[in-house]
Amino acid sequence: EAEVAQSPRYKITEKSQAVAFWCDPISGHATLYWYRQILGQGPELLVQFQDESVVDDSQLPKDRFSAERLKGVDSTLKIQPAELGDSAMYLCASSPRRDMNTEAFFGQGTRLTVV
Amino acid sequence: QQPVQSPQAVILREGEDAVINCSSSKALYSVHWYRQKHGEAPVFLMILLKGGEQKGHEKISASFNEKKQQSSLYLTASQLSYSGTYFCGTGAGNQFYFGTGTSLTVIP
Repeated sequence: EAEVAQSPRYKITEKSQAVAFWCDPISGHATLYWYRQILGQGPELLVQFQDESVVDDSQLPKDRFSAERLKGVDSTLKIQPAELGDSAMYLCASSPRRDMNTEAFFGQGTRLTVV
Repeated sequence: QQPVQSPQAVILREGEDAVINCSSSKALYSVHWYRQKHGEAPVFLMILLKGGEQKGHEKISASFNEKKQQSSLYLTASQLSYSGTYFCGTGAGNQFYFGTGTSLTVIP
């Protein structure tokens, strides 16, 4: 069964360092999402791509976060510099359609700890 | 913009029923429901679309009141495997937001 792949699964980094996460969505899925989930809270949308274009990054802290999906396939989320408050689970999800009327498939996430 | 869920937490005995509510301040076109177990990714349960179409799960049902911008998830004859945190997700246009979450624990 096709899955959304994310790496690494766990990352520990010192504050002020740069960190990057990678996501490979299910083949053929047009829409890709990056979410941040703080323990005990719901996932918060950081950025949404349709193919290679950003359609929503209104909640992405753009002074330190960046995301790209250059060929409309896999995606990278970067934080530079990392802060203690960035410690969270970063989830990637993909969806086959360009609207919200179908399910999103989630990867296992990257657990980031900033020390 | 984040939908509000109630209750925040519920404990059930196996076989009991539960209702989880989701309320949004914005007009909705779709409502998604996901379940997340501790340390795992959210798993899709069902989606309800404006106009009444529903796609999803066999043993769990849901309703979608477009006028009130609310949805409810109904879990009947709960099983131990139902334990987890339930999130609604609401879509309007291209935007999608997860709710505040409801922790559900089923005990023997």
